[in-house]
Amino acid sequence: GQQLNQSPQSMFIQEGEDVSMNCTSSSIFNTWLWYKQEPGEGPVLLIALYKAGELTSNGRLTAQFGITRKDSFLNISASIPSDVGIYFCAGLEGAQKLVFGQGTRLTINP
Amino acid sequence: DADVTQTPRNRITKTGKRIMLECSQTKGHDRMYWYRQDPGLGLRLIYYSFDVKDINKGEISDGYSVSRQAQAKFSLSLESAIPNQTALYFCATSVRGNQPQHFGDGTRLSIL
Repeated sequence: GQQLNQSPQSMFIQEGEDVSMNCTSSSIFNTWLWYKQEPGEGPVLLIALYKAGELTSNGRLTAQFGITRKDSFLNISASIPSDVGIYFCAGLEGAQKLVFGQGTRLTINP
Repeated sequence: DADVTQTPRNRITKTGKRIMLECSQTKGHDRMYWYRQDPGLGLRLIYYSFDVKDINKGEISDGYSVSRQAQAKFSLSLESAIPNQTALYFCATSVRGNQPQHFGDGTRLSIL
């Protein structure tokens, strides 16, 4: 099946640092989504992107839908301990089938 | 998301047993989905349903079946469980169009 390549797979950072992660695909998507998952919970939607080139913020989070529609990135500024978790990108195909990246596990040292 | 409820939250069972995982939603969404999550592989789609009369196979449907009993209920069955079906299972819902999916808190299934 279709795959999204998400990188990095894991990050170990100091509190207060900025974070950047990205996803690339060999196929075009019409919508890109970013989710966060914490232990014992399901993925929670952070940001949804609907247009190529779109740049959207949600508090300290910023995500962009790549111009080619084959990639997206997520930035987190001034990280705090509650940012810890696994971040997933997902591309939405025409029939609302979500394809997920492998996830980026974020660990923050206080 | 409390609007999407999965039961049970945890289940341990033996090879060959029949298992049913339940999902119910109060969001009023037409579309419901079942995903499986394995370490390092993200989430993969098992089955999806756009309404009560519409069921579709996803990427990894072999060994699974589903039933859409009502708009608000979508269950996943393993007719004869095998150990490599040990995983986290998530239900999700969405409205029509290109709107995001909303997930339940998952069922951790272990098959011995």
